[in-house]
Amino acid sequence: NAGVTQTPKFRILKIGQSMTLQCTQDMNHNYMYWYRQDPGMGLKLIYYSVGAGITDKGEVPNGYNVSRSTTEDFPLRLELAAPSQTSVYFCASSYNPGQSLGRNQPQHFGDGTRLSIL
Amino acid sequence: AQKVTQAQTEISVVEKEDVTLDCVYETRDTTYYLFWYKQPPSGELVFLIRRNSFDEQNEISGRYSWNFQKSTSSFNFTITASQVVDSAVYFCALRGQGGSEKLVFGKGTKLTVNP
Repeated sequence: NAGVTQTPKFRILKIGQSMTLQCTQDMNHNYMYWYRQDPGMGLKLIYYSVGAGITDKGEVPNGYNVSRSTTEDFPLRLELAAPSQTSVYFCASSYNPGQSLGRNQPQHFGDGTRLSIL
Repeated sequence: AQKVTQAQTEISVVEKEDVTLDCVYETRDTTYYLFWYKQPPSGELVFLIRRNSFDEQNEISGRYSWNFQKSTSSFNFTITASQVVDSAVYFCALRGQGGSEKLVFGKGTKLTVNP
């Protein structure tokens, strides 16, 4: 199993450009997440999805969009890149069998995408 | 609101020393879940342990041990006989009972183990 795969690993964007960060998992996990990690900080949730066709905002969703057309893929879209979006982005997934049972399941993380906006 | 505090920003020890990483959490939920993750210099996040709020048993896994105390809202992590390979940033995280599936992370503790 590859687990959670993120592409690209590194990217430099100019202000105002757009791009999509790709995330795919092969563990048949129903929950997927996008986090950003700023220097010296913990991770903050951007968006999450509890299944194909269902997405919801996390703590810091502004400036981002997501879609979940399949169980495996959960791309993150930056429409108008801004310097404040310079960060390391992590995608994660977890298997939640039921609302009460699932919350102790660990999230499995990808290796991250390091994004710089100049 | 839920919050995780890792008061130790950086810790430096010499190999073979024992080291404890502190984690204090805040939540109003009666059921919640606690996690520790390791982020080595290569950058990936590695899951280490999870603990349910209704299970206060301490856990030992090799050189790692975790002390969960609801009375002090703490979930501390001890590495015994530290090794250079333990050098990493360690994150404590909390997930509550209801609402979003958000994992609330502490800011992390950077551990450096010197030879």
